[in-house]
Amino acid sequence: QKEVEQNSGPLSVPEGAIASLNCTYSDRGSQSFFWYRQYSGKSPELIMFIYSNGDKEDGRFTAQLNKASQYVSLLIRDSQPSDSATYLCAVNNQGGKLIFGQGTELSVKP
Amino acid sequence: KAGVTQTPRYLIKTRGQQVTLSCSPISGHRSVSWYQQTPGQGLQFLFEYFSETQRNKGNFPGRFSGRQFSNSRSEMNVSTLELGDSALYLCASSRTGTSYGYTFGSGTRLTVV
Repeated sequence: QKEVEQNSGPLSVPEGAIASLNCTYSDRGSQSFFWYRQYSGKSPELIMFIYSNGDKEDGRFTAQLNKASQYVSLLIRDSQPSDSATYLCAVNNQGGKLIFGQGTELSVKP
Repeated sequence: KAGVTQTPRYLIKTRGQQVTLSCSPISGHRSVSWYQQTPGQGLQFLFEYFSETQRNKGNFPGRFSGRQFSNSRSEMNVSTLELGDSALYLCASSRTGTSYGYTFGSGTRLTVV
């Protein structure tokens, strides 16, 4: 079992729709959770982080954390073609070490 | 505010050689981590330095090493290069650790031939 798992996609949604990206992790001791966006040929860019169970909203983005189910998700409302990228879920359970999932490729169709 | 700066951007080396990559973190950031990104394995953690001390290490062979200087700049060294070391090497910095996540540099694309 991989430490952090994501559906590789591609996930295709029409412009204006809600994109839902999911991530599960295996280590119950994980403390903080991050979503990064990576455009092709670019480096990862931090979108959101979350530590506590529940929802955290930032503009069109909402991160959801359920530690009991070991599940993290990212919702993107009103998806735009510019949101088309690979979304990486990362989990921290040990100091400065992040464990990344393989990423989910999102495609937003105009 | 300057971001994380990595040099060089591209590098071509021959198998068996060694290479040194450089990373300058965001001003005030004391934690620097290194990652290897390949299409097959994704982003994999190499090591993390904080105040010149290696705080965490990933599952890479001893050919991969690093260090951090008193100004928080960091270098990563790979000795006896293998073809499989061809990858994008990313450096990321944070003020103290993962409290607010890491900011990544643009990376160094290493090709081993």
